[in-house]
Amino acid sequence: IAGITQAPTSQILAAGRRMTLRCTQDMRHNAMYWYRQDLGLGLRLIHYSNTAGTTGKGEVPDGYSVSRANTDDFPLTLASAVPSQTSVYFCASSEGLAGGHEQFFGPGTRLTVL
Amino acid sequence: SQKIEQNSEALNIQEGKTATLTCNYTNYSPAYLQWYRQDPGRGPVFLLLIRENEKEKRKERLKVTFDTTLKQSLFHITASQPADSATYLCAPYGNNRLAFGKGNQVVVIP
Repeated sequence: IAGITQAPTSQILAAGRRMTLRCTQDMRHNAMYWYRQDLGLGLRLIHYSNTAGTTGKGEVPDGYSVSRANTDDFPLTLASAVPSQTSVYFCASSEGLAGGHEQFFGPGTRLTVL
Repeated sequence: SQKIEQNSEALNIQEGKTATLTCNYTNYSPAYLQWYRQDPGRGPVFLLLIRENEKEKRKERLKVTFDTTLKQSLFHITASQPADSATYLCAPYGNNRLAFGKGNQVVVIP
């Protein structure tokens, strides 16, 4: 069982380019999340999805969009990347949104925007 | 606004001793509080969850307490080992989402 996979592992991107970070889980979890982690700021929630077909905004959603066409996949798109989006991005999933569920994290994508 | 505070200074501790980490939160009342471990270059891994009506939770050498009056959780690693060296994240659940603290690094010295 793979759990959560993310791709790519790392990427260097020119500012202004479009980029999609991929996330797939094989646990049939209802809820999925995207976080960014920056030194000194900790993990911050970008977007989340309670179930396939629904998404919601987190703490830092500007400049990012997500979709949840099915249970397993939750891609994160940067429409026009900017240097401030340089970060490590983690995808996570849980059985539900409620706080009683643990979150399972992927290995992360290290993104550098130049 | 909601605030989660963990000590930014690394905790250096001798092998075999008990490591104690503090998580303080303000401006909300979480119904649950989770703790995660994160190793360099990897995603966080869930360790323990404690509910607001629980005072203490244990798992092997780990113990978590939750004081809703003090708005504080303590995380203990007993009989610490070098393999326990990592960053530990506190994550209270409130306002329909899990919010993560910045983490507290633990270094266990052999």
